[in-house]
Amino acid sequence: DAGVIQSPRHEVTEMGQEVTLRCKPISGHDYLFWYRQTMMRGLELLIYFNNNVPIDDSGMPEDRFSAKMPNASFSTLKIQPSEPRDSAVYFCASGPGEQFFGPGTRLTVL
Amino acid sequence: GQQLNQSPQSMFIQEGEDVSMNCTSSSIFNTWLWYKQDPGEGPVLLIALYKAGELTSNGRLTAQFGITRKDSFLNISASIPSDVGIYFCAGRLGGATNKLIFGTGTLLAVQP
Repeated sequence: DAGVIQSPRHEVTEMGQEVTLRCKPISGHDYLFWYRQTMMRGLELLIYFNNNVPIDDSGMPEDRFSAKMPNASFSTLKIQPSEPRDSAVYFCASGPGEQFFGPGTRLTVL
Repeated sequence: GQQLNQSPQSMFIQEGEDVSMNCTSSSIFNTWLWYKQDPGEGPVLLIALYKAGELTSNGRLTAQFGITRKDSFLNISASIPSDVGIYFCAGRLGGATNKLIFGTGTLLAVQP
């Protein structure tokens, strides 16, 4: 079975540009989570969905971040405009209960 | 964000040694999970624990859900070089939320 798929694996962009990260969860999983990982703050939950509906977005840093899940097999995390402090590894995870992580997207904002 | 207290922060051991790490919290959890993260990859689930006192093994790994529901430990027996990585605990508070709270991680280095 394919695991959680994320794209792109690496993204380098300039400050002020829009960034879109993509995630395909494991088929049949009804929960989807977006995390950000940095050395300073560790793994932080940004937002999670249940059956495509956002349940808790209290971890979303600010209005520059938005996430959508238009259907059960696809989700996006968008940053607009991006800033250097957004540089991090962004993970998507899915699960029924336990969470299974994707390989992550390493974002660098110059 | 909230994080669990995980210790030790790092361990440098010889191949063949046993390893122990733990997580503690001031909150009560209804689930404890242990993950391993290799460089450049996402965390991989190793063991899941669902009941206080539960002891579960996965090969050379053994984890326990503390009786107080505020702590958990992970043991690795007879370590090998491929055990190198960062180990994270994670706890779920229960109730309506499905959020996990993650530990700060334990970096394990194994000298062949």
